[in-house]
Amino acid sequence: EAQVTQNPRYLITVTGKKLTVTCSQNMNHEYMSWYRQDPGLGLRQIYYSMNVEVTDKGDVPEGYKVSRKEKRNFPLILESPSPNQTSLYFCASRNRDRGGGYTFGSGTRLTVV
Amino acid sequence: GESVGLHLPTLSVQEGDNSIINCAYSNSASDYFIWYKQESGKGPQFIIDIRSNMDKRQGQRVTVLLNKTVKHLSLQIAATQPGDSAVYFCAENMGVTGGGNKLTFGTGTQLKVEL
Repeated sequence: EAQVTQNPRYLITVTGKKLTVTCSQNMNHEYMSWYRQDPGLGLRQIYYSMNVEVTDKGDVPEGYKVSRKEKRNFPLILESPSPNQTSLYFCASRNRDRGGGYTFGSGTRLTVV
Repeated sequence: GESVGLHLPTLSVQEGDNSIINCAYSNSASDYFIWYKQESGKGPQFIIDIRSNMDKRQGQRVTVLLNKTVKHLSLQIAATQPGDSAVYFCAENMGVTGGGNKLTFGTGTQLKVEL
């Protein structure tokens, strides 16, 4: 089944403790992206990648890092999480042709206390 | 900055009726638009898309209309079913010159289907 897989689904952590949210897609897509979703603000792009070793900032990149060492994986790294990073995170991927838009993962609910 | 907005935060319809969800966009450089459906606890799911060289596109029970003159997008759902209850987002994309990769989302409209 074609899908984007994120892990974990739920995570509660403490301020300052580094964490990584993994993302993997099995569709051989070139483009991958991370979004956060907050009430009243909709989905906002954090980082995106157009191919292996090619990444760039989205609208809200502060406090996040990403890497794209392999085409299928695009982990999101929070080096020192803070409470304002409590949110619902989505990883998404698409092929080079924009038709069909992004395929989204099921989301990671992160709480930073 | 540029933004995508929705006219109504909540829309209630009777089962079997047609639903119309509206979206206003402000970036005239956007050339590709997508409607997503998000059910509780799930990620957004692609419904239908339309490119700026079209003004209408139909799918299964859904139609998207694009009016570039007034920068307006709508999603029509025919014979609305309980399974259509979800939050619907429109999103716009600016094409290669605008970054190509970035989707700008609206804040969403909650569709509630009443039995």
